[in-house]
Amino acid sequence: TQLLEQSPQFLSIQEGENLTVYCNSSSVFSSLQWYRQEPGEGPVLLVTVVTGGEVKKLKRLTFQFGDARKDSSLHITAAQPGDTGLYLCARGDSNYQLIWGAGTKLIIKP
Amino acid sequence: NAGVTQTPKFQVLKTGQSMTLQCAQDMNHEYMSWYRQDPGMGLRLIHYSVGAGITDQGEVPNGYNVSRSTTEDFPLRLLSAAPSQTSVYFCASGGGGRLGYTFGSGTRLTVV
Repeated sequence: TQLLEQSPQFLSIQEGENLTVYCNSSSVFSSLQWYRQEPGEGPVLLVTVVTGGEVKKLKRLTFQFGDARKDSSLHITAAQPGDTGLYLCARGDSNYQLIWGAGTKLIIKP
Repeated sequence: NAGVTQTPKFQVLKTGQSMTLQCAQDMNHEYMSWYRQDPGMGLRLIHYSVGAGITDQGEVPNGYNVSRSTTEDFPLRLLSAAPSQTSVYFCASGGGGRLGYTFGSGTRLTVV
C-alpha cells in the first residue's frame, strides 16, 4: 500500500504564528492535492501541485512539492482563526484514484 | 450553484434496515465516488464510477451497492445496516486525478 503520512496529526497555535504541515510518501507520485475540511462540511480543494520543486501561493498559504516528488509541505504565515480545519493531502496517480493522508487537525486560537 | 448535492444530511437507522444515500452533480463530471470518513482513519473509498453504466469497488465496499444510470446521479445503497457502518459519508466528483475533486457536504449516518 502506497501510504501518505501527514504530520503533525494535531497542531494548536496562537493567531499570528507561522506553521508548516507535511505530507510524505515512500514512492514518487505524479501529483499532489491539498484540501481543507471544516467541521460538518466536505473537503475543499486548495491546490494541486504536479512538478517537482513547484511552489504555489494562495494568499498566506504556500504549498511546495519536493524535488523528488515524494513529499509536499503547506506553510501558513500569520495564521488566523479562519484557517482552523482539517488539512488533507492526497496523491493522484495515473488514473482518477486518489490516496489520502489521515490529515492534520489545525486549531488557531484567537 | 454548481456542485455536488448529497441527501439526507443526517440519518439514524436501526440495525438491519436498508437505505439509499443520494448524490447528484451538475458539472458533467465522468468520475464520481463515495467515501466514508471515520475518526483517525481518514477518507476511505467505498465505490467509484468512471462513467454512466460503469462502477467498481474501492477499499471498503462490503455492505454497500452503487449504480450509475446517468452522468449526474450516483446513489449509494446500504443493504442491511450494521453499527460498523456508522460514519460520515461523502460523495465526490471530478475530472481526473490532477484536476481535483468536488465534495458534497456529507451525510452523517448513525446505525443503532
